[in-house]
Amino acid sequence: KQEVTQIPAALSVPEGENLVLNCSFTDSAIYNLQWFRQDPGKGLTSLLLIQSSQREQTSGRLNASLDKSSGRSTLYIAASQPGDSATYLCAVREDSGNTPLVFGKGTRLSVIA
Amino acid sequence: DTGVSQDPRHKITKRGQNVTFRCDPISEHNRLYWYRQTLGQGPEFLTYFQNEAQLEKSRLLSDRFSAERPKGSFSTLEIQRTEQGDSAMYLCASSLDRTSGATPTGELFFGEGSRLTVL
Repeated sequence: KQEVTQIPAALSVPEGENLVLNCSFTDSAIYNLQWFRQDPGKGLTSLLLIQSSQREQTSGRLNASLDKSSGRSTLYIAASQPGDSATYLCAVREDSGNTPLVFGKGTRLSVIA
Repeated sequence: DTGVSQDPRHKITKRGQNVTFRCDPISEHNRLYWYRQTLGQGPEFLTYFQNEAQLEKSRLLSDRFSAERPKGSFSTLEIQRTEQGDSAMYLCASSLDRTSGATPTGELFFGEGSRLTVL
């Protein structure tokens, strides 16, 4: 059974700092991996999708990498801003692509002005 | 608005009552998913549809829960005889998977969720 772990559970950083959020998964045979952002009481916003054949994806100040063999992904946020404060969730879909996303519990990020 | 929409956004009900949530996916998406999320946890999978066919149901989906997607468009999730443990955020998502036309990515797009409080 696929399990997704996110470390740390919570993180507080001063504005302007670069930071890395970690995600690990137990079964490396994945179809894709997706990073989401969730604001309190809201739904999930897709940030980046990495297909199994890709090593990284970039969008603005965000860069996500994928290392399937080690079962790891990282989300790099450059020059953090208070508006980046949210919970960041990592989720993987297993190899067939016909299975639902399995989520981690998320990392709660606070960026202090 | 061309995103996933859910209704109602909030529902407060008394234990034992039935509730129904509706989800309208992104129009060209063939897959629709329901997830449940409690405070401090990641979303947990409940069920998903490809077009009108319900392809998978989680063990979390007890016999009090039923989901439909009758015409392969919108979906409903009904909870009968609600219990306090059903209090959660119910999230709907859709994706375009393994089909002709635009290149499918399998990327999931979520709605804003329906928050259920059972008193």
